[in-house]
Amino acid sequence: EVHLVEYGGGLVQPGGSLRLSCAASGFTFSNYWMSWVRHTPGKGLEWVATIKQDGSAKHYVDSVKGRFSISRDNAKNSLYLQMNSLRADDTAMYYCAMPSLWGQGTLVTVSS
Amino acid sequence: DVVMTQSPLSLSVTLGQPASISCRSSQSLVYSNGDTYLNWFQQRPGQSPRRLIYKISNRDSGVPDRFSGSGSGTDFTLKISRVEAEDVGVYYCMQGTHWPYGFGQGTKLEIK
Repeated sequence: EVHLVEYGGGLVQPGGSLRLSCAASGFTFSNYWMSWVRHTPGKGLEWVATIKQDGSAKHYVDSVKGRFSISRDNAKNSLYLQMNSLRADDTAMYYCAMPSLWGQGTLVTVSS
Repeated sequence: DVVMTQSPLSLSVTLGQPASISCRSSQSLVYSNGDTYLNWFQQRPGQSPRRLIYKISNRDSGVPDRFSGSGSGTDFTLKISRVEAEDVGVYYCMQGTHWPYGFGQGTKLEIK
């Protein structure tokens, strides 16, 4: 069965850093573009970042450029999101997505 | 960036009756290869988003045939032929043609 499982969320102070991970199983991870998408009750869904199968291309929404970095390790079937200089408006549920398959999400809360 | 505009933002429908959601993009979603990367997602309360429709009108595996998508260029529609209780949630259109990818604001469907 195909699965995406995110972890690494939590409470962090403004200006802090967090690294999210996503473990994939049940499919050939290295064949797919992978993305991070976030959701907040007030703003809905927002596409955050996407990475090509071999990691050679990456795209980011403007609001996270220079602060977030997406990466992957195909040998470990894993996707990552390094988040630096976190702000209160980065508070959201973060999903790993294919997008035909989504994980259950990991909650990031940025607050002092 | 491409702006995705959905209407209505909320919908109250009697069980067994049809429902329709409109999505308009600020520029054409036709990609250079001729495909149009317009998707529809459903997010039920407390659940991760789930893709229903890809490339305007293609249903994902397991999606009931009461869901259908149509449109072209900049104007798209999701229709539910007969609303069931399990359809309650928020529906999002999403464009995957232009970076950054983007979602509509979401349409909340409830049962009348």
